[in-house]
Amino acid sequence: DVKVTQSSRYLVKRTGEKVFLECVQDMDHENMFWYRQDPGLGLRLIYFSYDVKMKEKGDIPEGYSVSREKKERFSLILESASTNQTSMYLCASTLGGGVYNEQFFGPGTRLTVL
Amino acid sequence: AQKVTQAQTEISVVEKEDVTLDCVYETRDTTYYLFWYKQPPSGELVFLIRRNSFDEQNEISGRYSWNFQKSTSSFNFTITASQVVDSAVYFCALSENNAGNMLTFGGGTRLMVKP
Repeated sequence: DVKVTQSSRYLVKRTGEKVFLECVQDMDHENMFWYRQDPGLGLRLIYFSYDVKMKEKGDIPEGYSVSREKKERFSLILESASTNQTSMYLCASTLGGGVYNEQFFGPGTRLTVL
Repeated sequence: AQKVTQAQTEISVVEKEDVTLDCVYETRDTTYYLFWYKQPPSGELVFLIRRNSFDEQNEISGRYSWNFQKSTSSFNFTITASQVVDSAVYFCALSENNAGNMLTFGGGTRLMVKP
C-alpha cells in the first residue's frame, strides 16, 4: 500500500520560530512536492524536487526553503514563521518520467502560527 | 499561463440527488492532462481520474462520470445518486506537458450531501 506520511497533523508555533515539516514516501518516487492549502485558493505549489539535492521553486516560495538529502524524505522549512503562514501544508510524491502520473498525497499538517 | 477555475465554492444536496461539479481550465499547451481529486474530512487527497487532452471520451465509473469538452475547456464531474460519504472537497487540476510534473489546482468545491 503506497504511503506518504507527514511528521505532524497539527502544529502550533510562535512568530519568529524556525519550523520543520517532514514528509516521507515509501514508493521510491523521484518527484516530491510541498503545497499549502487555503480556503478558496486551492493548493498552491511552494517547492518541488525531482531528485535528491535538487529543488525548484513553485508559485509561492517566499518565506520557505526545502531540503532533500534522501530520496524518500522532503523537508519544508519556515526560517522565521509568520502569522500569514498559518495554513494546511500538504506533501505529495509522484513517479518521474511523465506528466500523466498522479500525485500521492500525505494527510497534511495544519500549522498555526501565533 | 495555466489556470483552473472551479466556480462553485460550495454545493449542498440531499442524498440521492445528482450533482455536477464544474471545472474550466486555461492552457496554451496542446498536450496536457486533467485530474480530479477528492479530499475527505481526513485531509488526504485521493486521486479519482486522469484524462489526457487527446481523449475526449466521457468516462463512467460506478456513480461517477466525467465530461471532457475541449471546445469549452471544461472537465465536469457528475455524481449520480449522491451519498453522505461523497461529502468532501473536490479539486480539479491541470498538468501541462512542458511543466514537468507540476499540477495547477482549482480552488476546490466543497460538496455537502445531507441525509
